[in-house]
Amino acid sequence: AQSVTQLDSHVSVSEGTPVLLRCNYSSSYSPSLFWYVQHPNKGLQLLLKYTSAATLVKGINGFEAEFKKSETSFHLTKPSAHMSDAAEYFCVVRSSGTYKYIFGTGTRLKVLA
Amino acid sequence: GAGVSQSPSNKVTEKGKDVELRCDPISGHTALYWYRQSLGQGLEFLIYFQGNSAPDKSGLPSDRFSAERTGGSVSTLTIQRTQQEDSAVYLCASSFADEKLFFGSGTQLSVL
Repeated sequence: AQSVTQLDSHVSVSEGTPVLLRCNYSSSYSPSLFWYVQHPNKGLQLLLKYTSAATLVKGINGFEAEFKKSETSFHLTKPSAHMSDAAEYFCVVRSSGTYKYIFGTGTRLKVLA
Repeated sequence: GAGVSQSPSNKVTEKGKDVELRCDPISGHTALYWYRQSLGQGLEFLIYFQGNSAPDKSGLPSDRFSAERTGGSVSTLTIQRTQQEDSAVYLCASSFADEKLFFGSGTQLSVL
């Protein structure tokens, strides 16, 4: 069975400091992993995806994530937070050969001036 | 259209009434998903359509919920005899072959 756990429901960082949003997954088969972002009053948007190519995945807006099979993790990072990064972030897993996307409960990122 | 369109954006209804939520996917997208997002919760899978195949309805929470997709394009999610616990944001997403989901802005349903 697939599942995804986002370890923090809320994260606060100061503008210009690094961002780390943590995600652990469980999947019986080779997973595809995604991060989506939801800005207030806007639709969900794909940030990046991992599909068994390079383990370090670069996404939009300077975000990246590293797939670590040994730790079953897919943490999202950004070297320097910007005010516009304030949003809710969802980690998503999909097992190979299936179409079901399993969403985490989300991490709300707050960026302080 | 350029993106996934959902209507209405907001719906307020009384307990016991039926509601219909509409989703217009991106043209050419064969897959269509409905999700429900409650306050403080992740996205809950409701139903999945792929081309002309039988839909996967395994996520529908009760038989008051149903959905159809006409002509492989527009989809309607119907909730009969609405209850207060049905209050949530209902999200529609479509995709083609590259695993990227394109989401609409959702319908905020409030059941009084």
